[in-house]
Amino acid sequence: AQSVTQPDIHITVSEGASLELRCNYSYGATPYLFWYVQSPGQGLQLLLKYFSGDTLVQGIKGFEAEFKRSQSSFNLRKPSVHWSDAAEYFCAVVAGSNYQLIWGAGTKLIIKP
Amino acid sequence: ETGVTQTPRHLVMGMTNKKSLKCEQHLGHNAMYWYKQSAKKPLELMFVYNFKEQTENNSVPSRFSPECPNSSHLFLHLHTLQPEDSALYLCASSQDLGGSMYEQYFGPGTRLTVT
Repeated sequence: AQSVTQPDIHITVSEGASLELRCNYSYGATPYLFWYVQSPGQGLQLLLKYFSGDTLVQGIKGFEAEFKRSQSSFNLRKPSVHWSDAAEYFCAVVAGSNYQLIWGAGTKLIIKP
Repeated sequence: ETGVTQTPRHLVMGMTNKKSLKCEQHLGHNAMYWYKQSAKKPLELMFVYNFKEQTENNSVPSRFSPECPNSSHLFLHLHTLQPEDSALYLCASSQDLGGSMYEQYFGPGTRLTVT
């Protein structure tokens, strides 16, 4: 069965520092991959997605993610975080023709001033 | 109103109560979803509707009863809930089914507490 693992429950980063959030998936073929963000009291918003092509994808709010087939990973990065990036980040995958998203448990990002 | 709205935002109910959650999308989408979000757990898909027809029920207990009168509105009727049902209930919509192609837009959720 397909699964998504986000190994870090929470991460603390200083404002202005770089960020990398990890996501690993389990699926035999190339999946469709997503990163969503959930700010406190809000629903989820799509940051970026990967379907095919260039393995480095750009998203909103200065985020990017890189698909690495050999590592079954789709890590989210940002070169310099802002206090407004404090939120919970979710990785998700759609496998094959199924429309259902399989979700990771999320990583909570805490920003130190 | 724009996007996906949910009411109420917060709900406290006893185990013997009956209540309903409401979701409305103003995006002209055809598919709507109910998710349950519990702390430190992945989102759980509960129900999916496409063109008002239910296409998915992920083994949800019968104390949760969805209703989709039209493509813009989705309800979740609750009765005789258990404390473990306390969670954030999220509604989402997408243009059509096909998670790989159609982004899901989420509402802010209803924070449900069962006492």
